[in-house]
Amino acid sequence: DIQLTQSPSFLSASIGDRVTITCRASQDISNFLTWYQQKPGRAPKLLIYAASRLQSGVPLRFSGSGSGAEFTLTITGLQPEDFATYYCQQLNNYPITFGQGTRLEIE
Amino acid sequence: EVELFESGGGLIQPGGSLTLSCAASGFMFRTYAMSWVRQAPGKGLEWVSTISGAADRTFYADSVKGRFVLYRDNSKNTVSLQMNSLRVDDTAIYHCARVRCSSASCSPNWFDPWGPGTRVTVSS
Repeated sequence: DIQLTQSPSFLSASIGDRVTITCRASQDISNFLTWYQQKPGRAPKLLIYAASRLQSGVPLRFSGSGSGAEFTLTITGLQPEDFATYYCQQLNNYPITFGQGTRLEIE
Repeated sequence: EVELFESGGGLIQPGGSLTLSCAASGFMFRTYAMSWVRQAPGKGLEWVSTISGAADRTFYADSVKGRFVLYRDNSKNTVSLQMNSLRVDDTAIYHCARVRCSSASCSPNWFDPWGPGTRVTVSS
């Protein structure tokens, strides 16, 4: 199984900050990497697919990069609504796996 | 509008069975694979199972293989997760999600949208 390790697990930041979350895969997954945002009590929301493609309707302050085994999610200019938990997911092969999550909180 | 809505959750004793259903609307259901993902209290996301649009391929996490069965009815736009031999560690909110493509394996791929989830509690 492909393991995904996110870092950090917890991140404290301020409105307007630029933050980066890293997701490392235990093997090469090409660009089969997706990012989701989840707010408390809500279903996850698709942000980025194929490592770097922004889902329609997602603000441009979100961006993704990487390929192979290392990926990043960057939020440039944090807004109040961005404070949530972020998960990476690999869909290179089954079983599909998720990272453990990164909780982003207001500093 | 694309919508997914899960039902069937509840409180069940260890060893019992429960069937979750996900009703879909707003898209051509048979042309999409469907998945279930669960989230234990205070924990992260765990993929459970995926079924192709034609129901000719199913995939299961090792943690549920042999206990859970995923099936779909394309005439009713529903996908169901039959859960047997339930254990305390199956306690979670279960979300259904639409997979990007019919075959369940494609490039690119993603889960979108997700339903709000149904809560399953396994406890004596």
